[in-house]
Amino acid sequence: QVQLVESGGGLVKPGGSLRLSCAASGFTFSDYYMSWIRQAPGKGLEWVSYISSSGSTIYYADSVKGRFTISRDNAKNSLYLQMNSLRAEDTAVYYCARVSVDCSGGSCHPGNWFDPWGQGTLVTVSS
Amino acid sequence: AIRITQSPSSLSASTGDRVTITCRASQGISSYLAWYQQKPGKAPKLLIYAASTLQSGVPSRFSGSGSGTDFTLTISCLQSEDFATYYCQQYYSYPPTFGQGTKVEIK
Repeated sequence: QVQLVESGGGLVKPGGSLRLSCAASGFTFSDYYMSWIRQAPGKGLEWVSYISSSGSTIYYADSVKGRFTISRDNAKNSLYLQMNSLRAEDTAVYYCARVSVDCSGGSCHPGNWFDPWGQGTLVTVSS
Repeated sequence: AIRITQSPSSLSASTGDRVTITCRASQGISSYLAWYQQKPGKAPKLLIYAASTLQSGVPSRFSGSGSGTDFTLTISCLQSEDFATYYCQQYYSYPPTFGQGTKVEIK
């Protein structure tokens, strides 16, 4: 079955760095766009970043632009998020999610809704 | 960024009730809206995409409607396993944005 498993979360001091990983299985990883989405404790969902299937197209939320870097290794079926210059407001559960494919118009393209999601990994930024 | 206003932020209902949750977009988004269910400590689960298309495996008591700026998620007959928080998400334009969530609690 389709599965996404995040790892790499933990406690880090403000200004520090952390690298999250997401291991994908059960589908052809290289065919799909992928995203990171986060959820601060007790709060709603915030989209963080997106990467195309080849890695050639990348988008970031303004809140992380210049500090976070998304990447992927299709040979290893893995997605990554390098997080630098971390701030207290980056504290959240980070989910990786597969970007859907929309074939409703006769041709297929990224649908930009998310399914499935991994179980999440908690990042805590605190001194 | 497109703002999504979701209402109510919480509601109390009983098993068997009909429940309606609304999302309003700050500009027209055609039918580019998805709905998710999240239970405590779990990842969100996709329920509906394209405003009204039920994801495979999701019970038919869930339905979505709307287009343009106003959208609705309806649970026709609330079951015990439906007590959760629900989020809508627009994917008309980047960045994708979510509503603030609606917590459905037991009355």
